[in-house]
Amino acid sequence: AQTVTQSQPEMSVQEAETVTLSCTYDTSESDYYLFWYKQPPSRQMILVIRQEAYKQQNATENRFSVNFQKAAKSFSLKISDSQLGDAAMYFCAYTLAGNQFYFGTGTSLTVIP
Amino acid sequence: DVKVTQSSRYLVKRTGEKVFLECVQDMDHENMFWYRQDPGLGLRLIYFSYDVKMKEKGDIPEGYSVSREKKERFSLILESASTNQTSMYLCASSLQAPNQPQHFGDGTRLSIL
Repeated sequence: AQTVTQSQPEMSVQEAETVTLSCTYDTSESDYYLFWYKQPPSRQMILVIRQEAYKQQNATENRFSVNFQKAAKSFSLKISDSQLGDAAMYFCAYTLAGNQFYFGTGTSLTVIP
Repeated sequence: DVKVTQSSRYLVKRTGEKVFLECVQDMDHENMFWYRQDPGLGLRLIYFSYDVKMKEKGDIPEGYSVSREKKERFSLILESASTNQTSMYLCASSLQAPNQPQHFGDGTRLSIL
């Protein structure tokens, strides 16, 4: 089975600062897809950003960007200009073909005013 | 917007009861998933379905079964509920393409007494 590891159970960041959440994964495949999801307290999990492994360019969505290092099997999420609404649990996920997704254990992000 | 609706937000049942968790999606997605979310363990896949009447076991299918009689509805069944099945249950759906993200419901917090 594929494994996805998030080594930081908890992180905190000052409002307006930048924070990076780590994610590593284990696969022998060359084409696959990676996602970051956000789960605010007592609210629905939503997609933050996605990355196709065949694309060398790092994905960016407004204040969210990824650092995708394929050889190192690393997929970190950078949040710039952190806002109070960014406080949530963040999950990294991997899928090969879109039928099975493998999730990390999550990183709980606190934003300090 | 995709809407994934889980029938109950909170549910309390007794040991030995047969429990039904219902999930409905409104976007004609082929894939549907049931996850269990526990602190420190992330999301673990119970079952998924890629078509009507089709199902595949995930990582932790023991003690659970599923039913998909219609494309939009995916039910999770706890045949004989036990206290170790107390958890948050998340339903998700997605298109049948590897770069497509999952869309999640609000979750059902199930307590087995």
